Amino acid sequence: KAGVTQTPRYLIKTRGQQVTLSCSPISGHRSVSWYQQTPGQGLQFLFEYFSETQRNKGNFPGRFSGRQFSNSRSEMNVSTLELGDSALYLCASSQIAYRYNEQFFGPGTRLTVL
Amino acid sequence: GEDVEQSLFLSVREGDSSVINCTYTDSSSTYLYWYKQEPGAGLQLLTYIFSNMDMKQDQRLTVLLNKKDKHLSLRIADTQTGDSAIYFCAESIARIQFYFGTGTSLTVIP
Repeated sequence: KAGVTQTPRYLIKTRGQQVTLSCSPISGHRSVSWYQQTPGQGLQFLFEYFSETQRNKGNFPGRFSGRQFSNSRSEMNVSTLELGDSALYLCASSQIAYRYNEQFFGPGTRLTVL
Repeated sequence: GEDVEQSLFLSVREGDSSVINCTYTDSSSTYLYWYKQEPGAGLQLLTYIFSNMDMKQDQRLTVLLNKKDKHLSLRIADTQTGDSAIYFCAESIARIQFYFGTGTSLTVIP
């Protein structure tokens, strides 16, 4: 099985622009979660989608949004970029198992905002 | 609250044991996890423990859970240079939302 893929791997944007990141989960996985990783902050949960519905949302401003398509692929959008949005954005997919819910992570998209 | 705390850095000599500690706050956690992140890569699940267990051993890895103190630890026996990475503990509530710690950067000195 192919792993979780994220595109693009690297992005450079300027303040005020918007950006869209893409995540393709492992085949058969219906849950996709997004995280922001910054040094010293660890992973901050952004949101989680399951069957095209957002089930959970972290504590991020409305500039951060996402969606999930019928094939479980997910996109994350950040509008009006700020310098503080520079981070590694990780996507994880999972299949709800009856015992535990292992998340499989993609390699991430490194976003730099200048 | 969903604060998961870890110390940021740990250095050990090759062949020694490493112990990475984590504290969490949500007593309704059902599963607790340890993930490993190598440079330029995403996170890889190392092991997990169900909240009604005290200990789990998996080859060189030993997980200890003290539910009363909300303390989780990961012991790596015979630490190798390939174990150098960032280690994250995480808790999940209702198997849906995950909360991660800040990560502990483990450096193994040859």
